[in-house]
Amino acid sequence: AQSVAQPEDQVNVAEGNPLTVKCTYSVSGNPYLFWYVQYPNRGLQFLLKYITGDNLVKGSYGFEAEFNKSQTSFHLKKPSALVSDSALYFCAVRDQTSGTYKYIFGTGTRLKVLA
Amino acid sequence: DVKVTQSSRYLVKRTGEKVFLECVQDMDHENMFWYRQDPGLGLRLIYFSYDVKMKEKGDIPEGYSVSREKKERFSLILESASTNQTSMYLCASTRPGTVSGANVLTFGAGSRLTVL
Repeated sequence: AQSVAQPEDQVNVAEGNPLTVKCTYSVSGNPYLFWYVQYPNRGLQFLLKYITGDNLVKGSYGFEAEFNKSQTSFHLKKPSALVSDSALYFCAVRDQTSGTYKYIFGTGTRLKVLA
Repeated sequence: DVKVTQSSRYLVKRTGEKVFLECVQDMDHENMFWYRQDPGLGLRLIYFSYDVKMKEKGDIPEGYSVSREKKERFSLILESASTNQTSMYLCASTRPGTVSGANVLTFGAGSRLTVL
């Protein structure tokens, strides 16, 4: 079965420092990978995706993610964190094994950026 | 912009009541999904639909059913609500393919259901 793991429940980082939110996946075939962000009392918003091509993907709000096939990872990164980046982040993979498309999410990582 | 609208932001129901959660999208998306979100468990897929009148079970379908009579509307039904169904429910939609925006889920704002 396809799955997504986010090993950290929470990540704390000082404002201005680089941040990394980790994600590893288990899929058969070529993965479609995504990052979403959720602000308090809101639905999820799309940040970026990897489908094919360059392993470094750039997305919204200055975020980027690096696809690493050998390590089956898709870590979210930002060079300089802002307090406003504090939110809940979800990694997701599209599952195609049943012939229809469904999306599997990780358990989420809460990012706290400290002023 | 794609918009996914969930009819109720907050609901409070009693055990045994029948509950309807409605979701409407305005961008002609083929695929629609219902998730529930619980702390520490992330998003878990309840049901999804890839076409009108088509539905497939997700990972936690027990206690739920769905209806998709029109392309833009996907309803989640709790036949007899129980306290363990207290949760945040999120609806999402997307289209498959290679056009711009394809394969990206667009989410509604969520419906927070409390079952007493």
